[in-house]
Amino acid sequence: NAGVTQTPKFQVLKTGQSMTLQCAQDMNHEYMSWYRQDPGMGLRLIHYSVGAGITDQGEVPNGYNVSRSTTEDFPLRLLSAAPSQTSVYFCATRRPGGIGEQYFGPGTRLTVT
Amino acid sequence: ELKVEQNPLFLSMQEGKNYTIYCNYSTTSDRLYWYRQDPGKSLESLFVLLSNGAVKQEGRLMASLDTKARLSTLHITAAVHDLSATYFCAVVNLNDMRFGAGTRLTVKP
Repeated sequence: NAGVTQTPKFQVLKTGQSMTLQCAQDMNHEYMSWYRQDPGMGLRLIHYSVGAGITDQGEVPNGYNVSRSTTEDFPLRLLSAAPSQTSVYFCATRRPGGIGEQYFGPGTRLTVT
Repeated sequence: ELKVEQNPLFLSMQEGKNYTIYCNYSTTSDRLYWYRQDPGKSLESLFVLLSNGAVKQEGRLMASLDTKARLSTLHITAAVHDLSATYFCAVVNLNDMRFGAGTRLTVKP
């Protein structure tokens, strides 16, 4: 039972390059989300999904795309990387119903030069 | 718009002392979370608070929620060095989740 996994752990991109951050979960949670964490700002919600085929924007969606074709996977795509997207990215899932406890992946540290 | 304000942002404590971290939020919320983050690590869930008057305790940490005042507190009792970390509160309204900026706690001997 791996929980929430993210790949890669570290990535360096040049401005204008594109890439996909991978997130996978084996807990069968419907809700998945992506956050970015910048120093001194806490985490900010980029996109979220309440189930396969359903995605929506969070607080800071510009420059990012998501899709959800399966319950297990929720990739985050950077279309044309910019230095302002240098950050640590966390994927999370939330248990349906009950107290709604949320589980975070280990994070991906992205640097855009 | 849902906004979350956390204070203080930095807190230096002596071991054995008590202190409280405050989390204010601007609109109605479904639930409130407290997380701990160690440097370079992911977030570890501490508490989930659902209703007005909710109080949860784990070891030296106790969290409470006042939905009328839109305020949650994280109280630290008799701090020890192992509690040094950054603590975040986060508030959910439907599927929108907003985090406070975090409180960086340092416990000194």
